[in-house]
Amino acid sequence: EAGVAQSPRYKIIEKRQSVAFWCNPISGHATLYWYQQILGQGPKLLIQFQNNGVVDDSQLPKDRFSAERLKGVDSTLKIQPAKLEDSAVYLCASSLGLWTEAFFGQGTRLTVV
Amino acid sequence: TQLLEQSPQFLSIQEGENLTVYCNSSSVFSSLQWYRQEPGEGPVLLVTVVTGGEVKKLKRLTFQFGDARKDSSLHITAAQPGDTGLYLCAGAWEYGNKLVFGAGTILRVKS
Repeated sequence: EAGVAQSPRYKIIEKRQSVAFWCNPISGHATLYWYQQILGQGPKLLIQFQNNGVVDDSQLPKDRFSAERLKGVDSTLKIQPAKLEDSAVYLCASSLGLWTEAFFGQGTRLTVV
Repeated sequence: TQLLEQSPQFLSIQEGENLTVYCNSSSVFSSLQWYRQEPGEGPVLLVTVVTGGEVKKLKRLTFQFGDARKDSSLHITAAQPGDTGLYLCAGAWEYGNKLVFGAGTILRVKS
């Protein structure tokens, strides 16, 4: 069974530029999460989808971050414009349903300079 | 304020020692999961505990869910260098319909 795929693996951008991350979850997984993980800390939930609907986006900085999950499968997370403090690893995870085991991708390491 | 507080934040021990990592909250969780994360990788699930008071064993790892489903612990017996990593607890918070993570415990086992 293929795992959660994320791209790119690494991205370096200048502040105020925009960037997009892509995630392809495990086939059949209804729930998709985007987490932000700052070095040495636990993942912080940014947004959670159930199929193509948003379950929780309370910690998503909506003035600069946006995410979509068209057709309830792939998802993209965008940052525009990026700030220095956005430097982190962005993890995508998927699960069969709410609260079941989450399978994580390898993440995208973003560096904003 | 973290919904789940993990302690200690960092633990450095010698091979063969025992250790316990704690995960505490004032909230009740439907279930609690423990993950281990290695550098450059995403977290990988170790175990899920669902019932208050539940104890699960995975080789040298023992997981316990508190009776009130507000806290959990992970005990490692005779730690090995291969146990080194970031240990994360994650709670299925029923009132928020989401999976929230603690800040993690960085474990380093020296040979």
